[in-house]
Amino acid sequence: DIQMTQSPSSLSASVRDRVSITCRASQNISNFVNWYQQRPGKAPNLLIYGASSLQSGVPSRFSGSGSETDFTLTITSLQPEDFATYYCQQSYNYPLTFGGGTKVEIK
Amino acid sequence: QVQLVESGGGVVQPGRSLRLSCAASGFTFSNYPIHWVRQAPGKGLEWVAVISYDGSQKYYADSVKGRFTISRDNSKNTLYLQMNSLRPEDTAMYYCARDPIWGQGTLVTVSS
Repeated sequence: DIQMTQSPSSLSASVRDRVSITCRASQNISNFVNWYQQRPGKAPNLLIYGASSLQSGVPSRFSGSGSETDFTLTITSLQPEDFATYYCQQSYNYPLTFGGGTKVEIK
Repeated sequence: QVQLVESGGGVVQPGRSLRLSCAASGFTFSNYPIHWVRQAPGKGLEWVAVISYDGSQKYYADSVKGRFTISRDNSKNTLYLQMNSLRPEDTAMYYCARDPIWGQGTLVTVSS
């Protein structure tokens, strides 16, 4: 199975900060990575697919980059509604696997 | 509107069975593979299973293989997850998903 190692597991940031979350795959997965945001008590919300494609309706302050084994989710100018937990997921093969999550908290 | 709605969760004793349902609306259900994803209380996301658009292909996480069965009825726009031999570690919120659409989840608690 492909392991997705996400870091950091948590971070504290202020509104308008730039935040980056990384995910490393245990093997080459090309660009088959999705990024999700999950707010407490809610279902996950797809932000980025194919490593760098912004899902329709998602603010442009979210962006994704990377290929093969190393991937990054960047949030420029963090907003109050962005305080949540973020997950990467590989969709290269089954079983699909998620990273452990990154909780973004208010500093 | 486009949505997925899960049902069937509840409290069940270890070793017993439960069947979850996921009703789809607002899109052509029979065109898409659909997934089950779960989340134990306070933990991360775990992919459970997927079924192809026509039901001919199914894949499972190792943690549920041989105990859970995913199926679908395209005439009813409904996805199912038959869960047998339930264990305490199966306690979780269960979501059905067809990106970018996710249901609100149904909670399964396995406890004596």
